[in-house]
Amino acid sequence: NAGVTQTPKFRVLKTGQSMTLLCAQDMNHEYMYWYRQDPGMGLRLIHYSVGEGTTAKGEVPDGYNVSRLKKQNFLLGLESAAPSQTSVYFCASRTDRTHDKNYGYTFGSGTRLTVV
Amino acid sequence: AQSVSQHNHHVILSEAASLELGCNYSYGGTVNLFWYVQYPGQHLQLLLKYFSGDPLVKGIKGFEAEFIKSKFSFNLRKPSVQWSDTAEYFCAVMDDNYGQNFVFGPGTRLSVLP
Repeated sequence: NAGVTQTPKFRVLKTGQSMTLLCAQDMNHEYMYWYRQDPGMGLRLIHYSVGEGTTAKGEVPDGYNVSRLKKQNFLLGLESAAPSQTSVYFCASRTDRTHDKNYGYTFGSGTRLTVV
Repeated sequence: AQSVSQHNHHVILSEAASLELGCNYSYGGTVNLFWYVQYPGQHLQLLLKYFSGDPLVKGIKGFEAEFIKSKFSFNLRKPSVQWSDTAEYFCAVMDDNYGQNFVFGPGTRLSVLP
């Protein structure tokens, strides 16, 4: 089925370790986003991309890096994980065509990350 | 940048009760508004959206929302809830900043008792 695929679904890291979360979409969407979801805080934007080869900082970018080398993939990296980065991470993508009947975010299923 | 507030943190209803969840956004102009639902352990799914036109928007699963420009509000309603509506509900507004991302409210948890 078309949509947004995130890998891995679960991960436990030790403080200081690094990892990369992969987001892949097959809907030819221009815009892609990484959010983190924490209890009582809703979703907060980490980084985003408005097209292949472009990335930009969101609301809470510290401690994260991203890359969008291919249009369909948006990678989120943690260089040195900290317990404060324990969270659920969601990737989302959307078309830039506001009249598209499916306009809106399509979310991946999330990655639950625990840093100990 | 926009901000979104949701009136209730946790709402508990019995089946067949009516539901209204409040949502307010911070400033006017042209706004695109959304309601998303997150069932336990799942990702967010779009319930409905408003871009322009009729301020009463109908979505999936019997949900509707009313856009009231003068009140900066976009409240979600359902006449009769079911146990399967137990979920977390997020209101969102498209922001001009950050790649026109969606700014989400903190969410309202709905528990429907059978």
